[in-house]
Amino acid sequence: NAGVMQNPRHLVRRRGQEARLRCSPMKGHSHVYWYRQLPEEGLKFMVYLQKENIIDESGMPKERFSAEFPKEGPSILRIQQVVRGDSAAYFCASRRDTANYGYTFGSGTRLTVV
Amino acid sequence: AQSVTQLDSQVPVFEEAPVELRCNYSSSVSVYLFWYVQYPNQGLQLLLKYLSGSTLVKGINGFEAEFNKSQTSFHLRKPSVHISDTAEYFCAVSTYGGSQGNLIFGKGTKLSVKP
Repeated sequence: NAGVMQNPRHLVRRRGQEARLRCSPMKGHSHVYWYRQLPEEGLKFMVYLQKENIIDESGMPKERFSAEFPKEGPSILRIQQVVRGDSAAYFCASRRDTANYGYTFGSGTRLTVV
Repeated sequence: AQSVTQLDSQVPVFEEAPVELRCNYSSSVSVYLFWYVQYPNQGLQLLLKYLSGSTLVKGINGFEAEFNKSQTSFHLRKPSVHISDTAEYFCAVSTYGGSQGNLIFGKGTKLSVKP
């Protein structure tokens, strides 16, 4: 049973380009969370999704950032018109439907904006 | 709102010595508590969690933590560390009963084990 798969592991974008980060949750996990880790900081919650629904996006910047978790396929975190301040590690976590907080984290995507 | 404070950003220690990584939290409601470990360029791995019951929680790799409600603390301990324990450790909280279950993390403590 594969873990949470994130790709790409490393992503370099020039300022103004778009970044698309993908997350495939563990089999049987229908809840996905995205977190951002800035240098020397802990992880900050961005968005919580279930299949085809955004449950909580209170941690998402209001502009340029969007997330989806379609019925088929991985969850996507999309950053439009990237700026240097978007450089960070982005982690995805997934869990089952039961509320025992058994999160599994992916290895992250490290975005560098040049 | 909840918050987590990890009092030490870096903890150097010699191999086979004991270590304690401190974590305090603030919350007006009851919480679940977690410790995660992050090795360089990797994701987070759950070390242990407190949901209810015994306040002393044992985790993987010989780590344990004690929940102290009166002091709002959840310090992580290991009686004898190894070089391989060198990593960054994050304390996190989540609230009871919420449907979201998102975690609030501290800023992390970098544990450096020296031979």
